[in-house]
Amino acid sequence: GENVEQHPSTLSVQEGDSAVIKCTYSDSASNYFPWYKQELGKRPQLIIDIRSNVGEKKDQRIAVTLNKTAKHFSLHITETQPEDSAVYFCAASIMSQFYFGTGTSLTVIP
Amino acid sequence: DTAVSQTPKYLVTQMGNDKSIKCEQNLGHDTMYWYKQDSKKFLKIMFSYNNKELIINETVPNRFSPKSPDKAHLNLHINSLELGDSAVYFCASSLGQGIYEQFFGPGTRLTVL
Repeated sequence: GENVEQHPSTLSVQEGDSAVIKCTYSDSASNYFPWYKQELGKRPQLIIDIRSNVGEKKDQRIAVTLNKTAKHFSLHITETQPEDSAVYFCAASIMSQFYFGTGTSLTVIP
Repeated sequence: DTAVSQTPKYLVTQMGNDKSIKCEQNLGHDTMYWYKQDSKKFLKIMFSYNNKELIINETVPNRFSPKSPDKAHLNLHINSLELGDSAVYFCASSLGQGIYEQFFGPGTRLTVL
């Protein structure tokens, strides 16, 4: 089955700096890669996603890049703000099977 | 007007008991899921249903039995609860299989004593 690895597990950045979270996957059949943000005690919520026929997608301060050859994808958050502090999960999907990374706890220091 | 709802929000019970968690979505989605999030925050898919039919059953003990009476509901029944079942259980739904955004419910925190 699919194996998704996510790094780093924790990340601290100063407010205004950029944050990058990286994920790798093992199954080349994976074709959908969402990123979820989970605040403490809350449900995961989608922040951005990318399909396998696209290399990059941007939504304001958030961007995701996908390298299908290398089987890795990354989340980039620019101009970080304290409200960006949360746990971020990447995932890879094959049909209805979603495999999540182990999460990155991001802390933005004011 | 909550999109995906779950009940109860908290569930505290003794080992060996049987309990159920209910999930409902009003988004008109075809696909629903159950996830388990353990104390280390790891999210693992348990089941996936599409149009009331079971699509995925990951390596979950058969003490866990999902039931989908209709497209809008996916309930989870757990028999003979064990300490290791303590976790947060999330229900989710999506428009269809695979490449669609999943909308998560608020979660049910299950504590087995």
